[in-house]
Amino acid sequence: GAGVSQTPSNKVTEKGKYVELRCDPISGHTALYWYRQSLGQGPEFLIYFQGTGAADDSGLPNDRFFAVRPEGSVSTLKIQRTERGDSAVYLCASSPDRGQGYTFGSGTRLTVV
Amino acid sequence: QKEVEQDPGPLSVPEGAIVSLNCTYSNSAFQYFMWYRQYSRKGPELLMYTYSSGNKEDGRFTAQVDKSSKYISLFIRDSQPSDSATYLCAMHLNEKLTFGTGTRLTIIP
Repeated sequence: GAGVSQTPSNKVTEKGKYVELRCDPISGHTALYWYRQSLGQGPEFLIYFQGTGAADDSGLPNDRFFAVRPEGSVSTLKIQRTERGDSAVYLCASSPDRGQGYTFGSGTRLTVV
Repeated sequence: QKEVEQDPGPLSVPEGAIVSLNCTYSNSAFQYFMWYRQYSRKGPELLMYTYSSGNKEDGRFTAQVDKSSKYISLFIRDSQPSDSATYLCAMHLNEKLTFGTGTRLTIIP
């Protein structure tokens, strides 16, 4: 596609529920990144994929967060037992290879009530 | 202490003015230095990308890096109302970006 696509654009869920956030990177981009941006803050790194494998997941805050990229293209960020503190904008980015500039999607705004 | 410090503003300047945005950082291992622009409810958009000390110019934008002082700047000349956005500095190390908090900029027509 022309850009990084993230769905849904907005998600409201109840505390304790499970959510999945989807990212469609730019076609042919091998590197994919997830970041989380809280209100009034810069984005914070969560996880980085090179191809199908998670090359660095050191930013995932705890074991309720998990991400996959089974075919090296689309990625899904999964959050179990959501908490109000998980409310944020979840941003996905992709790049053609390591060390290249990223292109970000518009994000998924997650609200846990 | 945060690894990257950025004044959150807000900053308001009249149209046509020169804007100066700055960040300091503490980790001397950072490899690349970037400036992103973020409009409301949009993802960050890469504006400038540098990896060495000195100046890099692109149209009305100039990025400046001083590695010895761990200080980076973005200058916007002839500012336009369409430049109104949040500007984020970001430092790259091992495939991770560490962002500043962002400076909210408003250009007053």
